[in-house]
Amino acid sequence: GESVGLHLPTLSVQEGDNSIINCAYSNSASDYFIWYKQESGKGPQFIIDIRSNMDKRQGQRVTVLLNKTVKHLSLQIAATQPGDSAVYFCAETPRVFGAGTRLAVHP
Amino acid sequence: SQTIHQWPATLVQPVGSPLSLECTVEGTSNPNLYWYRQAAGRGLQLLFYSVGIGQISSEVPQNLSASRPQDRQFILSSKKLLLSDSGFYLCAWRRDSSNTGELFFGEGSRLTVL
Repeated sequence: GESVGLHLPTLSVQEGDNSIINCAYSNSASDYFIWYKQESGKGPQFIIDIRSNMDKRQGQRVTVLLNKTVKHLSLQIAATQPGDSAVYFCAETPRVFGAGTRLAVHP
Repeated sequence: SQTIHQWPATLVQPVGSPLSLECTVEGTSNPNLYWYRQAAGRGLQLLFYSVGIGQISSEVPQNLSASRPQDRQFILSSKKLLLSDSGFYLCAWRRDSSNTGELFFGEGSRLTVL
């Protein structure tokens, strides 16, 4: 069945470093993906999305890369800050969410 | 602007007791509405979604039910709670049923069943 999963459950980085969070999906027909950020005790918030006709999309300090050949997408956060500490989810549809990666930023 | 409210924020209930979690959306009409459960340290599991008043789709068999009595109101219920119903419940809305578009989540309701 469909699945969207993550390679790393926890990622620890130093403040100022770049972070890369990965996500794999299984449905080759998927044409839209979203990254969400969830801070402790709160609901997820939209970060960035990408359609399958794109390989890359940039936002403020964040970049999402999509590799349709290997069904993989990644979220890159530049100059990671303590406020970036959260759990990050990729989502394919409202039904299909990844398990999440916890990003811990150390000063 | 659109807002989503979810309550109560925290709930501790005994096994066998009933449950009612409420969610309302303001500032939009005919939203798609969703209920998710999130176990500790886990991802989101879609429980129910609704594309209109009185229209409920259940994603997984379970002890819970959902209702949409008004356009912008979504209620999650149970007649008798189980220990396994404990978790973090999230309500969300989306503008339409297209294949794109982000979900807007509420702040969540943490349920502990003892």
